[in-house]
Amino acid sequence: DGGITQSPKYLFRKEGQNVTLSCEQNLNHDAMYWYRQDPGQGLRLIYYSQIVNDFQKGDIAEGYSVSREKKESFPLTVTSAQKNPTAFYLCASSEAYNEQFFGPGTRLTVL
Amino acid sequence: QKEVEQDPGPLSVPEGAIVSLNCTYSNSAFQYFMWYRQYSRKGPELLMYTYSSGNKEDGRFTAQVDKSSKYISLFIRDSQPSDSATYLCAMSRPQGAQKLVFGQGTRLTINP
Repeated sequence: DGGITQSPKYLFRKEGQNVTLSCEQNLNHDAMYWYRQDPGQGLRLIYYSQIVNDFQKGDIAEGYSVSREKKESFPLTVTSAQKNPTAFYLCASSEAYNEQFFGPGTRLTVL
Repeated sequence: QKEVEQDPGPLSVPEGAIVSLNCTYSNSAFQYFMWYRQYSRKGPELLMYTYSSGNKEDGRFTAQVDKSSKYISLFIRDSQPSDSATYLCAMSRPQGAQKLVFGQGTRLTINP
């Protein structure tokens, strides 16, 4: 059963804490992406990776970090430098260009 | 001005109606156009994908692209309560084509 999985589904962060969101895909896609979605808004690109061991900043990368050590995995760390991290985080993947397929999302809340 | 503009709604129509959802854009370099459906608290699901201008039909869904007007549409025929969701348009350029630009999303409710 091919697809994209994200964990956890819900995550709570205390002030000053780093948290890591997991994204795994078994679609054999080269490219992976992280988006942030705020209520009533579209998706904004945080980071993307076209190949293993390479990634680029998106439009709102400040306060976030990523790694791409394996083709199937693209974890996102929300650092304490991100001042307003409460949002819905979506991971996506694609083969070559364009058609991006999304995971179920992680809802992060700051306590 | 945002690169992609989409009326957030909400839009409420009776079951069986034809629904028209639209986006306008400012960047003439966009060549790939997509529509995603997103149910509450779920990830977006790709509905339609088109390249350049023209129409594409898939069941009850039709996507139209008018590049001369920088305007794209999604039509839903015989709308069903299960179509109630937020619909997001997205588009990208050939160069750096993996960077999708999304509209704000339109919240649609189909009333039985």
